[in-house]
Amino acid sequence: SQTIHQWPATLVQPVGSPLSLECTVEGTSNPNLYWYRQAAGRGLQLLFYSVGIGQISSEVPQNLSASRPQDRQFILSSKKLLLSDSGFYLCAWRTSSFYGYTFGSGTRLTVV
Amino acid sequence: GIQVEQSPPDLILQEGANSTLRCNFSDSVNNLQWFHQNPWGQLINLFYIPSGTKQNGRLSATTVATERYSLLYISSSQTTDSGVYFCAVGYSGNTPLVFGKGTRLSVIA
Repeated sequence: SQTIHQWPATLVQPVGSPLSLECTVEGTSNPNLYWYRQAAGRGLQLLFYSVGIGQISSEVPQNLSASRPQDRQFILSSKKLLLSDSGFYLCAWRTSSFYGYTFGSGTRLTVV
Repeated sequence: GIQVEQSPPDLILQEGANSTLRCNFSDSVNNLQWFHQNPWGQLINLFYIPSGTKQNGRLSATTVATERYSLLYISSSQTTDSGVYFCAVGYSGNTPLVFGKGTRLSVIA
């Protein structure tokens, strides 16, 4: 079966520290992968998406970056975190044959 | 880009009551999903429903694509139905989903 893993579940980081969040998918190949962020309140904002290895599209310019080093791995990074980077980060995937999205369990990031 | 509006923004129900949540969108879409975000933040896919009607237990959804709206019906609500309900839409191909701001539902025993 197809599953998506996201870790860590929670993270507290000081301002200016680096960040690396990982998302992996199992049971499928060549998925579309997405990073969303949910800040205070409840809206979900698309950060990055990828349709293949090494292909990254950025929706919102900021101090975050994304990489896709392997087919089923999607990484969200920052060199120096800001207070405004705090939020709930969600990874999602879908296949090219079915447009429905499946989300991971999310990482709650607090920058202090 | 696509605009997605959900109503009402907040809803408080007595356990056992029925409710209807609405999602309006500004363009023709090929993907529409309803999600439930539980208190732990997990987004659970309820329906993939770009058109037509589907039912799953006490929940059902209807999308009228030509009129650009979708409805989520919750019958005989339970406290476990509490959380935020999101509607998300997208075009075909690789275009990402765009989310509405959600409806926060509180079911009181």
